[in-house]
Amino acid sequence: GAGVSQSPSNKVTEKGKDVELRCDPISGHTALYWYRQSLGQGLEFLIYFQGNSAPDKSGLPSDRFSAERTGGSVSTLTIQRTQQEDSAVYLCASSLGRDSPLHFGNGTRLTVT
Amino acid sequence: QQQVKQSPQSLIVQKGGISIINCAYENTAFDYFPWYQQFPGKGPALLIAIRPDVSEKKEGRFTISFNKSAKQFSLHIMDSQPGDSATYFCAASKGYKLSFGAGTTVTVRA
Repeated sequence: GAGVSQSPSNKVTEKGKDVELRCDPISGHTALYWYRQSLGQGLEFLIYFQGNSAPDKSGLPSDRFSAERTGGSVSTLTIQRTQQEDSAVYLCASSLGRDSPLHFGNGTRLTVT
Repeated sequence: QQQVKQSPQSLIVQKGGISIINCAYENTAFDYFPWYQQFPGKGPALLIAIRPDVSEKKEGRFTISFNKSAKQFSLHIMDSQPGDSATYFCAASKGYKLSFGAGTTVTVRA
């Protein structure tokens, strides 16, 4: 594809439910990032994948958050037992490598009611 | 804690005017300073970036000024146009982990 694709674009869920957010990076990009953007806030780093290396999970805010990247391509961010404070836009980005510019998708807007 | 502080939160400028956004950082290990532009409903897109070995970088109407001793850098948008109305984020990194400022919403009045 031409860019980073994220789905769904919008997700409304009830408190306590689990959600899965999907990211398809640009073909050939070995690095993949997840960021969270809350209203009026900057982008908060969540997790980083680079090739077959162990991911940097240092930004995940709690153990309810997890992410995986299958086959070095598609990534899924899972939030278990969602809370209202999880409401935000979740952005995925990919790059050619650790020192290359990030290309962001349009995000998934998550609303927890 | 926020590693990059950005100001102002918002600004309004007349068409043809100059928009100036300032950022400050604490971590002297940072060696890459990009600016991203974000339109509503879209992801941020890289606008321009600088490394600390230069004090200024210009690309078209966009200029980054970098002051290493003060640990500050700024974005100047010259001859601002209505199409420049967007949210701008500064960021800084050492390696792969970008730390972003809180963003500045720029509105350009025709």
